Amino acid sequence: SQQGEEDPQALSIQEGENATMNCSYKTSINNLQWYRQNSGRGLVHLILIRSNEREKHSGRLRVTLDTSKKSSSLLITASRAADTASYFCATANDNSGNEKLTFGTGTRLTIIP
Amino acid sequence: DSGVTQTPKHLITATGQRVTLRCSPRSGDLSVYWYQQSLDQGLQFLIQYYNGEERAKGNILERFSAQQFPDLHSELNLSSLELGDSALYFCASSVEVGYSAEAFFGQGTRLTVV
Repeated sequence: SQQGEEDPQALSIQEGENATMNCSYKTSINNLQWYRQNSGRGLVHLILIRSNEREKHSGRLRVTLDTSKKSSSLLITASRAADTASYFCATANDNSGNEKLTFGTGTRLTIIP
Repeated sequence: DSGVTQTPKHLITATGQRVTLRCSPRSGDLSVYWYQQSLDQGLQFLIQYYNGEERAKGNILERFSAQQFPDLHSELNLSSLELGDSALYFCASSVEVGYSAEAFFGQGTRLTVV
């Protein structure tokens, strides 16, 4: 079963605009990660935010985490055509010491040149 | 390039057959994870190994099995294949047993069962 649910499922914006994607999850987590997947290819790690962090930045990426609402958001600023991809949130759960990374359903982002 | 190598890249086989997918983790990574990605099920965690031992199990069918060898490469065996097993199979590796660090994904094996 999916732990995370991304919202929206699909998003199209003009190049240069900002893109915001949201992720909600169900159980307590140790950390939350965002990954990007270009069509049919492997996932690439973007950023990790720990459960005791509220905000994190990496280049044009900004991630927030609200553990009280069990939600996270990924903001991509000044979008580029190369940002076109699917974006997944993934949660790491502490389950008797064995963590597994559970992925959400993904947001398909299209940047229009 | 993530450093994780999966072979083969594509595989077409008939129903009822058995296939083996191979994964070489990044140098130094002890943990290997297998995921299945299909259009209707999304990205599903199958199984995790750490330094040769099974550490976590997800939605892995009994027809599927995996192992991690002393040289840390891993194989995912899929048997009695059904049409519904057609999917992308990803391997990922990380340096630790848990997900305190990021996971590095291979490019996947696209399995088509006909």
